[in-house]
Amino acid sequence: AQSVTQLGSHVSVSEGALVLLRCNYSSSVPPYLFWYVQYPNQGLQLLLKYTTGATLVKGINGFEAEFKKSETSFHLTKPSAHMSDAAEYFCAVSDRKAGNMLTFGGGTRLMVKP
Amino acid sequence: EPEVTQTPSHQVTQMGQEVILRCVPISNHLYFYWYRQILGQKVEFLVSFYNNEISEKSEIFDDQFSVERPDGSNFTLKIRSTKLEDSAMYFCASSGGSLDTQYFGPGTRLTVL
Repeated sequence: AQSVTQLGSHVSVSEGALVLLRCNYSSSVPPYLFWYVQYPNQGLQLLLKYTTGATLVKGINGFEAEFKKSETSFHLTKPSAHMSDAAEYFCAVSDRKAGNMLTFGGGTRLMVKP
Repeated sequence: EPEVTQTPSHQVTQMGQEVILRCVPISNHLYFYWYRQILGQKVEFLVSFYNNEISEKSEIFDDQFSVERPDGSNFTLKIRSTKLEDSAMYFCASSGGSLDTQYFGPGTRLTVL
C-alpha cells in the first residue's frame, strides 16, 4: 500500500525566496513519484515526475525535485519564487500496477508575498 | 496542446438522483481514470479503465458508481443514487500507456442537496 505525507498544508514565502515543499512517501515497490500543481479553478497539471534514472528531476516553471530513497522523500524546490507560483501543490505516488492508481498527499498551498 | 475536458463544470442535484459526469480524454489515450476530492480532503482514486473494462477500483467505488465509454471519445462516471457525501470535485484523467503520466481535466464540482 502507498501513502504520501506533505508537511505543511500552507507555506508562505516572499517573492524571490527559495521554495521548499516537502513530500514523504511509503511504497511497497520502487516508487514512481509525481508533483502536480493546481491553479484556482483549474485541473491538476504535471510539474515533474520521477520513474527511474537520475534522482534529481527538473520540471516546468523552474521547479525541481530530488528522489532520496534513504529518506523516502521527494521534496519540491525552486530557487526563486514568483508571484505566479501561488497555487496548490500535490505530491503523488503510483502503485505501478495495471490500474496505475495514484495516491495523493494532502496538498500544500503556496502563498507568495510581494 | 491536447487536453482533457469535462462537462459540466458544476452540477447541482437532489439526494437520490442519478448524475452522469462526462469527460473527453486526450484523443490517442487508452487509459482512463476518475478521482474525486471532497472539500478540504485529499484527491482520492476511484477507478481506472482500459479496453472497455475496469482495471482497478477503490473501496469508494461501490455499486452506486459505474463507468462507461459509450463511444470513441467520451468517458462517463455515473452515480445512481446520489448521497450528500458524494459532494466533491470529480476529476477525469487519461494516459497513453499503463504507467504513463496521467493528464487531468479541470474537474466537475458536484453538489448534492
